Amino acid sequence: GDSVTQMEGPVTLSEEAFLTINCTYTATGYPSLFWYVQYPGEGLQLLLKATKADDKGSNKGFEATYRKETTSFHLEKGSVQVSDSAVYFCALSGQDASKLTFGTGTRLQVTL
Amino acid sequence: GAVVSQHPSWVICKSGTSVKIECRSLDFQATTMFWYRQFPKQSLMLMATSNEGSKATYEQGVEKDKFLINHASLTLSTLTVTSAHPEDSSFYICSAPRGYNEQFFGPGTRLTVL
Repeated sequence: GDSVTQMEGPVTLSEEAFLTINCTYTATGYPSLFWYVQYPGEGLQLLLKATKADDKGSNKGFEATYRKETTSFHLEKGSVQVSDSAVYFCALSGQDASKLTFGTGTRLQVTL
Repeated sequence: GAVVSQHPSWVICKSGTSVKIECRSLDFQATTMFWYRQFPKQSLMLMATSNEGSKATYEQGVEKDKFLINHASLTLSTLTVTSAHPEDSSFYICSAPRGYNEQFFGPGTRLTVL
């Protein structure tokens, strides 16, 4: 079945550092890929998405490119802020477009 | 954007009691809603798909008699944890899809069973 593998956290960075959170997936067909963010005490929010190979999703300075050849969707940000501290989930939707399969989440802690 | 609410946000109950959690789509209709369970430091595990007007579809390994789901209207789904035990303590999250490939999540309900 479908699966998503994320790098384990926590990831601790200083403000303005470069961020990469790795995500790889296994799925049949052509899944859509997502990054969700969960801020402390809040529900999951869609951060960005990509629906086909080579698409780049971007939002709030975050980017991720759908790489079919490496089955990856790594999340990057050039300069993180303290307010980016949260848990980030990589996810995919496969043949059933409404069902999501999540990775285990990666906690990001950004310090001054 | 679309909003999904959950009530209550947290609940503490005694072992053996039943707890009902509501999930509402506030500004859109949802014929389908999803219920997830999130363990500490782990991912969201899909428990079941709630279908308006028909029975819920449960994922493998989820006890349907333990976790009762009712999709009462196009904006409301409820999850009832029956005869709760400490191992049912968890964070329960619902979501509702709108449009193609867009899911909106509720803020979650933390259940603690003593």
